[in-house]
Amino acid sequence: GAVVSQHPSRVICKSGTSVKIECRSLDFQATTMFWYRQFPKQSLMLMATSNEGSKATYEQGVEKDKFLINHASLTLSTLTVTSAHPEDSSFYICSARGGGMGEQYFGPGTRLTVT
Amino acid sequence: KQEVTQIPAALSVPEGENLVLNCSFTDSAIYNLQWFRQDHGKGLTSLLLIQSSQREQTSGRLNASLDKSSGRSTLYIAASQPGDSATYLCAVGIGGATNKLIFGTGTLLAVQP
Repeated sequence: GAVVSQHPSRVICKSGTSVKIECRSLDFQATTMFWYRQFPKQSLMLMATSNEGSKATYEQGVEKDKFLINHASLTLSTLTVTSAHPEDSSFYICSARGGGMGEQYFGPGTRLTVT
Repeated sequence: KQEVTQIPAALSVPEGENLVLNCSFTDSAIYNLQWFRQDHGKGLTSLLLIQSSQREQTSGRLNASLDKSSGRSTLYIAASQPGDSATYLCAVGIGGATNKLIFGTGTLLAVQP
C-alpha cells in the first residue's frame, strides 16, 4: 500500500513553454501533498505544501506564479512550471500523506530538462 | 531555522563491513525523523521512521537511533552489501500544522565487492 505515482517520469521542453507534472496517490486519500526540487548532487528542497481544496503554501524564495500547484482532489496534485527556463531544469519529487501527521510517501520523481 | 547535516558526505567500504551514517539537526523540537535511500536518478525509498518519543527502530540489517536532546541520529547498516550502494538521506519532521520534512545533505555510500 501507500503508492504514489508521478507522470511524466522525464520531460524535455523548450524555453518559454509550460510543463505540467502530475502526482497521484494510488491507494489512499492524500489530504496533504508536498512538492520538492532536487538539483544535481544536492538534497531535496521543499517548494510548497498543498492541502486538498485549498491554496498551496509556498516556501520562501519559491515563485508561486511560476510554479502553479493545484490539489483539486484527494488523489491528485499537479505542478505546472510556467514559462520554463534552463535554470528550472531539475528533478521534481512529490510526496503525499493521508490524514494526521503521519508518514509522507514519495513519488518516483520527474526529470525536467529545459533546452 | 532547522538545519540538518549528514556526515560523512561520501563513504566507501568493502563488502561485509558494518557502518554508521550520522545525521545531526540544530533544533531538537522535532516531531519525527526518517531515513531514506535514493538510488541515482531515482525517487526515495523510506527505510525507517522514528517518532520523537522513540529511541530507535530496526528493520532487517538496518538500525536507526535517535537522541533528540543532542540533536543526533545514526543509521547503522550491518554486513554491508554492494546492493546497499546509494545515497542515504535523513529528514526531520518539524511538526506544526503540516509536519514538513527538512532533508539533510545526504551520504553517498559505495560498497565495494
